[in-house]
Amino acid sequence: GESVGLHLPTLSVQEGDNSIINCAYSNSASDYFIWYKQESGKGPQFIIDIRSNMDKRQGQRVTVLLNKTVKHLSLQIAATQPGDSAVYFCAETLSNAGGTSYGKLTFGQGTILTVHP
Amino acid sequence: NAGVTQTPKFQVLKTGQSMTLQCAQDMNHEYMSWYRQDPGMGLRLIHYSVGAGITDQGEVPNGYNVSRSTTEDFPLRLLSAAPSQTSVYFCASRRTSGPTDTQYFGPGTRLTVL
Repeated sequence: GESVGLHLPTLSVQEGDNSIINCAYSNSASDYFIWYKQESGKGPQFIIDIRSNMDKRQGQRVTVLLNKTVKHLSLQIAATQPGDSAVYFCAETLSNAGGTSYGKLTFGQGTILTVHP
Repeated sequence: NAGVTQTPKFQVLKTGQSMTLQCAQDMNHEYMSWYRQDPGMGLRLIHYSVGAGITDQGEVPNGYNVSRSTTEDFPLRLLSAAPSQTSVYFCASRRTSGPTDTQYFGPGTRLTVL
């Protein structure tokens, strides 16, 4: 079946650097994408989302970029901090006609981000 | 609000035993779901519910049953545990409407089947 995957399973950066985590998706029909952060021993936590009618969306220190042409998604974290160390998952889903998903997410494998002080 | 709560936090079962993983949310969310997370993998959807009395299968439903008698609770039942069900189980909830699809996840139940 179609799935979401990640290019890099691990990423190590120095505190203060910018981090970029990549994700490739294969289902061209997916129209809603989410990034989650999962700290050790905890459940995933929502970071930022983007719909397919957008190319870029910014949050606090995070930016998600969507390239529908090559089916690529990325998460940029500015001024990475040790507290950002976690596993990051991208997820995709297909909205219903009303633009609201039933939350049937397909998750990628995950990228481990390690931030060194 | 406590958010999404799960019990127990840890559980060890023997093959063939049955048990129920509890999940509750106090946010009045209509949608609830169960995922399992295996080492080195993302989460996979087991079952979900769009409201009380309504449930449906996800990607990996075999070996699991669910019911939704109230808005708040969504228990996951393992009828006859197998080693392949060793995993970390996450319950999640969200509103079915709204501009974003934010799901709130519980802390997880770590299950080991011997």
